[in-house]
Amino acid sequence: EPEVTQTPSHQVTQMGQEVILRCVPISNHLYFYWYRQILGQKVEFLVSFYNNEISEKSEIFDDQFSVERPDGSNFTLKIRSTKLEDSAMYFCATGAAELSYEQYFGPGTRLTVT
Amino acid sequence: GNSVTQMEGPVTLSEEAFLTINCTYTATGYPSLFWYVQYPGEGLQLLLKATKADDKGSNKGFEATYRKETTSFHLEKGSVQVSDSAVYFCALSPTSGGSYIPTFGRGTSLIVHP
Repeated sequence: EPEVTQTPSHQVTQMGQEVILRCVPISNHLYFYWYRQILGQKVEFLVSFYNNEISEKSEIFDDQFSVERPDGSNFTLKIRSTKLEDSAMYFCATGAAELSYEQYFGPGTRLTVT
Repeated sequence: GNSVTQMEGPVTLSEEAFLTINCTYTATGYPSLFWYVQYPGEGLQLLLKATKADDKGSNKGFEATYRKETTSFHLEKGSVQVSDSAVYFCALSPTSGGSYIPTFGRGTSLIVHP
């Protein structure tokens, strides 16, 4: 069964450093999403991406965040200058259609900022 | 705005016990409702969904009924197994207004003992 994969599974970084989280979507999916979950809190939407541009973003997705599909397959989330409060589990999700409610989630990347 | 509230965990049960995980929501319009499950080390998987009032979603012995009058979508299973141990997320997705981004609850951890 096709699945979304994410790398790395765990990333530890120092405050102020840049990190790139990677996601490999299911091959025929066109809609991509990033979510995060701070430990013990809700899963929060960050951004959606379609046709090489951002479709929608939340208040959390400020100027320190960016997304791209650098090679047409990987979907990346970059955090330019990490803060302690960026420590969270980051989930990538992909879907075949915008109106499909069945987003397929990856296993997540745990980001720890020290 | 939209919100989802689900009971806090962990919920600890013995095998074959009856499970209820409560979920209530606040939303404008008529959202679709979902339950996702996250097994250890894996991403969120769609467990079941309901798209209109009085619909019952079901899968793998789990059920949830869309109750508009009580704005609830409680998850139930008649006889849990050890393999059901996971974190369960209730979520809603708008069906109008131009945004279909889901709103999640905090998740409820279920631990089933043999």
